[in-house]
Amino acid sequence: GESVGLHLPTLSVQEGDNSIINCAYSNSASDYFIWYKQESGKGPQFIIDIRSNMDKRQGQRVTVLLNKTVKHLSLQIAATQPGDSAVYFCAENLEGNSKLTFGKGITLSVRP
Amino acid sequence: GAGVSQTPSNKVTEKGKYVELRCDPISGHTALYWYRQSLGQGPEFLIYFQGTGAADDSGLPNDRFFAVRPEGSVSTLKIQRTERGDSAVYLCASSFGAAGELFFGEGSRLTVL
Repeated sequence: GESVGLHLPTLSVQEGDNSIINCAYSNSASDYFIWYKQESGKGPQFIIDIRSNMDKRQGQRVTVLLNKTVKHLSLQIAATQPGDSAVYFCAENLEGNSKLTFGKGITLSVRP
Repeated sequence: GAGVSQTPSNKVTEKGKYVELRCDPISGHTALYWYRQSLGQGPEFLIYFQGTGAADDSGLPNDRFFAVRPEGSVSTLKIQRTERGDSAVYLCASSFGAAGELFFGEGSRLTVL
């Protein structure tokens, strides 16, 4: 298998259940946040983003929640499917700053 | 293809050698980024190009690392006198403008023996 998922925390969920992946970000000045999904042997893939003037944003089967008070970001995946198995990263950015800062990834494993 | 293309996908080299990694971004994307991903870690920013110029190279770890984008499209990351600690997956991403969504390539896995 690929090395990206090694030594990362793992969340194991039953197919069809909802998943919640949490992330603590580091910079209280960050104002843009993104969740990425990384499958084995591939680059990160954009899932959903949220700006700091919002506390919730919904996509297709995914919801991102932002709590700026405690610098916490979460990704909720509804009706988790085997294809959701991957490593998930949160990333933060400052408005006008070119660089994203990625957090430590979490491996999502979906049990059939 | 329509995505970001990186070559080679795998590169094994010996300590002290010179390496070039190439990135072909999505056509029309003006912004190009290089990130490095070590084992079990998230990607770390190296350098950002807007057009032909390096707008932010603050993530390059030392002067052995250099990147160019001479015509504002293809970029090459160059690593001189490679060290074992340079072993990682080097990811390239592009976006339509600096604030656009980043599209990542599949990466070039560099192994320095």
